[in-house]
Amino acid sequence: EAGVAQSPRYKIIEKRQSVAFWCNPISGHATLYWYQQILGQGPKLLIQFQNNGVVDDSQLPKDRFSAERLKGVDSTLKIQPAKLEDSAVYLCASSLDGTKAYNEQFFGPGTRLTVL
Amino acid sequence: GDSVTQMEGPVTLSEEAFLTINCTYTATGYPSLFWYVQYPGEGLQLLLKATKADDKGSNKGFEATYRKETTSFHLEKGSVQVSDSAVYFCALKVGGTSYGKLTFGQGTILTVHP
Repeated sequence: EAGVAQSPRYKIIEKRQSVAFWCNPISGHATLYWYQQILGQGPKLLIQFQNNGVVDDSQLPKDRFSAERLKGVDSTLKIQPAKLEDSAVYLCASSLDGTKAYNEQFFGPGTRLTVL
Repeated sequence: GDSVTQMEGPVTLSEEAFLTINCTYTATGYPSLFWYVQYPGEGLQLLLKATKADDKGSNKGFEATYRKETTSFHLEKGSVQVSDSAVYFCALKVGGTSYGKLTFGQGTILTVHP
């Protein structure tokens, strides 16, 4: 079974530029998560989708971050404009059905973003 | 709100030493508890979990027991190997409107020397 795919793996941009990350979850997984992991910290949930609807985006800085999950499959996370403090690893995860507490979340390898 | 606190690291051990990584939590509801591991250059992987008080999760020689009275979920392994070198994250998940949302601790870096 293929895992969660993310691209690119690494990205370096200047502050105030825009950037986009892509995630393809495991086939058939209804729930998709984007986490931000700053160096030395644990991952923090940015946004959670159930199929193509947003379930939780309370921690998403909506003035600069946006995300979509068209057709309930793959997803894109965008930052515009980027700030220095956005330097982090962005993790995508998926779950068969996040409404079921026993369903495991599977994580992708992450995209490491450096903002100069 | 919900939070997870892990012991401060990094932790450096010799091969075959005993490992303990402490984890305590606060939660508004009744959480499920998890340990995730992140090997260099790889994504997070679920190591073990426990869903109710007194449950013991175990995998690959690692164990952790859900202690509701002390709100703890300490990770232990009797004899570590060089291949166990990684970052370990304790996490919790509470049911409700954010079903499936994981709250992580800050992570503990483990280095095992031959």
